[in-house]
Amino acid sequence: DAKTTQPNSMESNEEEPVHLPCNHSTISGTDYIHWYRQLPSQGPEYVIHGLTSNVNNRMASLAIAEDRKSSTLILHRATLRDAAVYYCILRDWAGANSKLTFGKGITLSVRP
Amino acid sequence: GAVVSQHPSRVICKSGTSVKIECRSLDFQATTMFWYRQFPKQSLMLMATSNEGSKATYEQGVEKDKFLINHASLTLSTLTVTSAHPEDSSFYICSASPMDGTRYEQYFGPGTRLTVT
Repeated sequence: DAKTTQPNSMESNEEEPVHLPCNHSTISGTDYIHWYRQLPSQGPEYVIHGLTSNVNNRMASLAIAEDRKSSTLILHRATLRDAAVYYCILRDWAGANSKLTFGKGITLSVRP
Repeated sequence: GAVVSQHPSRVICKSGTSVKIECRSLDFQATTMFWYRQFPKQSLMLMATSNEGSKATYEQGVEKDKFLINHASLTLSTLTVTSAHPEDSSFYICSASPMDGTRYEQYFGPGTRLTVT
């Protein structure tokens, strides 16, 4: 599996936007960029995914560089509930049964 | 979104005993489920891929005779930790995706915290 690189941690203020970067310089043409997050003592939850174009959903936006070697997860207005570990994962699309390989992720802290 | 449940949420057992953890997809069917283990302050580590009606595929370094996986139906996979020891104490998490391929994301269970004394 292609690897991703994320900073260890980031701090943000409540109600401000947060940009979480991810580098994936060895991404292949069939790799989708997935983001999951894990709140303390819970299982991970899906945030967003994309292939080439920027994506938006109710939780976040995903900005993908033109060369696809990096991406940024954008939380438009951070809340205290967004404090979690965010994982950027490359997933070779082989159907719903393709596995996810988690890296260390980035720990986001949100200040009130 | 789709829901995956795990039972029990917490279990404490004595060293040498076996523990069974259930993973159920509540509102979708899945031919494949995944089992992860997570130690404190660490990331999730994939242990095995559970395949309905066939043998599980284990990741390198995971003992298949110690971590028995049974995927008996399209909504249920079980992980049995046999002859548990304190070093098996961990947070065990399962995940699955709908087999109809309509959704790309994986849905995770809430996890089972195993403590072996």
